[in-house]
Amino acid sequence: DAGITQSPRHKVTETGTPVTLRCHQTENHRYMYWYRQDPGHGLRLIHYSYGVKDTDKGEVSDGYSVSRSKTEDFLLTLESATSSQTSVYFCAISELGGGYGAFFGQGTRLTVV
Amino acid sequence: EDKVVQSPLSLVVHEGDTVTLNCSYEVTNFRSLLWYKQEKKAPTFLFMLTSSGIEKKSGRLSSILDKKELSSILNITATQTGDSAIYLCAFQGGATNKLIFGTGTLLAVQP
Repeated sequence: DAGITQSPRHKVTETGTPVTLRCHQTENHRYMYWYRQDPGHGLRLIHYSYGVKDTDKGEVSDGYSVSRSKTEDFLLTLESATSSQTSVYFCAISELGGGYGAFFGQGTRLTVV
Repeated sequence: EDKVVQSPLSLVVHEGDTVTLNCSYEVTNFRSLLWYKQEKKAPTFLFMLTSSGIEKKSGRLSSILDKKELSSILNITATQTGDSAIYLCAFQGGATNKLIFGTGTLLAVQP
């Protein structure tokens, strides 16, 4: 298995609280991605990173921020969690020339009550 | 805006049938098109198609990229119940290697 770990795996939080999800990789891949998955929507890109301190918005970035201060870690923060952010969050890593697209973490199930 | 569209959204077949899943894209700076299978956990990689590799095959699964039509198909022959899953298509490209997915096709294979 690719060396990619998400934490926590499950979290229940209250509306209005900040939440940070962590994606950690040991593959030294340049590209990292955060997605959310909801029924009927497939995987929707939240933010992604193309290098240390280099990030860009995806299609559903409102209410989320990210940081990448070192190659191995990509953090996703919900500044003030809302019920609409209840979802399963996946992190993925990729490297050009790998021939395999991207590898995914196990996912984080987040419930905002 | 980059966009990936999959069809059908869902499909029910019987074991032994052959299925064809479709993916079309409207994107800039295309680099590759990817297919994934997702069961009850994270997506797992199936194929990568690029300008230099427009057809891939692995066992009963095969995929073709049509760059002229901006589309791809995933074929599964002699389907089995273990093929039941969501099949996701994705585009990867641009200067920042953006990776975006379609909504997926939910395939159910009945005994």
